Amino acid sequence: QQPVQSPQAVILREGEDAVINCSSSKALYSVHWYRQKHGEAPVFLMILLKGGEQKGHEKISASFNEKKQQSSLYLTASQLSYSGTYFCGTEIGYKLSFGAGTTVTVRA
Amino acid sequence: EAGVAQSPRYKIIEKRQSVAFWCNPISGHATLYWYQQILGQGPKLLIQFQNNGVVDDSQLPKDRFSAERLKGVDSTLKIQPAKLEDSAVYLCASRTPFQSNYGYTFGSGTRLTVV
Repeated sequence: QQPVQSPQAVILREGEDAVINCSSSKALYSVHWYRQKHGEAPVFLMILLKGGEQKGHEKISASFNEKKQQSSLYLTASQLSYSGTYFCGTEIGYKLSFGAGTTVTVRA
Repeated sequence: EAGVAQSPRYKIIEKRQSVAFWCNPISGHATLYWYQQILGQGPKLLIQFQNNGVVDDSQLPKDRFSAERLKGVDSTLKIQPAKLEDSAVYLCASRTPFQSNYGYTFGSGTRLTVV
């Protein structure tokens, strides 16, 4: 079952923050976050397994709510290199389903 | 470690022709996936293998698509005959261990254009 991502697109100036949301109608085993640059393969960012978990690397972080049905990705003090399409992947059973993606454009 | 290898990178065929894509996952990765990504959309799972057995192929159009993973390593995805709506990027991914705190590693994909 495909998760719902929002917003569809966001435009930022360097240094600004953004939040991308991902939700499911069912409790999830895990949530994955990936970034895909134009013409390239999706690259794994992080995975969240536990309700209430928060995880991050440098200035990109994510949270997973207690009911394990929603996750948010936080881009803090965005850099030009953060541009790309961000996908959440939600795992139910043995299947990982991807959202439609959020296109992030960071401008100087 | 070496990444997931896919070939070819690009393929243009006419409708009703056949085409095959090849994938070599990361060594030791037991789980292999084929995804279809249509322009502007998220990847859609076509088939999932655990070693050389199929775990899920519920979204594979079996009247025209087939896939195999002989000896639990390389995998081939075939389309026969191709339709215009099959134009997409076909991504192969692998993962280990199965359902863990590791993410998927994707190959660079094969961009298929059906004319």
